[in-house]
This record gives sequence, structure tokens and C-alpha cells, in this order.
Amino acid sequence: AAGVIQSPRHLIKEKRETATLKCYPIPRHDTVYWYQQGPGQDPQFLISFYEKMQSDKGSIPDRFSAQQFSDYHSELNMSSLELGDSALYFCASSRTGLGEKLFFGSGTQLSVL
Amino acid sequence: SQQGEEDPQALSIQEGENATMNCSYKTSINNLQWYRQNSGRGLVHLILIRSNEREKHSGRLRVTLDTSKKSSSLLITASRAADTASYFCATLTTSGTYKYIFGTGTRLKVLA
Repeated sequence: AAGVIQSPRHLIKEKRETATLKCYPIPRHDTVYWYQQGPGQDPQFLISFYEKMQSDKGSIPDRFSAQQFSDYHSELNMSSLELGDSALYFCASSRTGLGEKLFFGSGTQLSVL
Repeated sequence: SQQGEEDPQALSIQEGENATMNCSYKTSINNLQWYRQNSGRGLVHLILIRSNEREKHSGRLRVTLDTSKKSSSLLITASRAADTASYFCATLTTSGTYKYIFGTGTRLKVLA
């Protein structure tokens, strides 16, 4: 069965650069979530989309933006990168957006040098 | 602050023993889920319990939910070395938003 696909798997950037992370949800899943997980930390909710519309926002810096496209894939854009942005970024999708389990991708490991 | 707080934060047991992890949350919830994460990998869904349920079983997993105390527990029976991972609870609040909040996680180590 198809899973949530994230790309790239690893990304190395310099401070003040820009990064774009991509997420391809499971087919027919209509909700996408983005989470950030620092080393030894719990996943922190960033933002979610339901049917291509932003549905909720968490602790996402103003330097970050995200969108979901007509084919349901989502991109997380991160600008003016800081050292503290180094983390594992997960995308998850679910079928109805309410009361259903989340399926996670393998994550993108972002390292900011 | 995080919706879910888990304890213990770290747990080390011998293979064959039972492992119990607890999760507390602050607001009203629609459901509570437990996830497992192997180091540096994506989270994997284990079990979901709805707010009107008190107990649920799945294989060696047993989850309880006490909405009056805003707490849940995950019991893994007859643990195996392969159960070594971090375990997180996640809550979906009743506020109608699409936001699952994860707790701080319990790092379980099962010694062979």
C-alpha cells in the first residue's frame, strides 16, 4: 500500500538560506499535517490543511509558510534559516481529518550549518 | 504547553516484563491515540481510543482512558527487545480543529 512520501530525506543548508520540503499524502487522504521534531523532543505541530485549505496553525514561525496543491501534495517553505531550525520534519496525512489515525512519512532531516 | 504529558519519560525493563506508560492531557478530547517511534524514524500508529471508550485492546497492547482524570495509560505485556522505542500519546481536541497534539513521549528500553 502507498505510504506518505516526503522529500528530500536529508537536507543541509546554510544559515539564512531557504528550504522547501515536500509531502505526498496517501491517495484519497484529504488532510495533511506538518510536525517539527528537535533532537530528543516531542513532535511539535506546525500547520495542517484540509481539502487544500489551511485548517489549523501551531507554533510555526512567520519565516515558514506552507500550502497544499490541487493534487493534494503539500510543501513547507522555510526562509532565513536559523541554526535552531535543524530538526526532523514530518508530514502526516489522514482520511477525514477528524477522528482518524495519522499516517506519517519518514521525515526530512534538516541540518542548518 | 503540550496537551499531553507522559510519564515516565524513560523506562527500562527486562524482556518478558510488562511496560506501563501514562499520558495526561488538559482539554476535552475527541479521541486519544498512541504512537510508536523508532529512533529518527516516522511515527507509527498503535491504537486509538475514543472519548466514550474506557478500555481497548490490540494484541499485546492495552489502553485505558479516564476522561474524568484526563489521563490514559498504555500497557505493553510480555515486552520484547523489538518494543524498544519512544511512545507518544496524541490527542485530538473537541475544538473542531485539525490538530493532533503530541505528548513528550516515553523512551522505552527493553533489555534482552
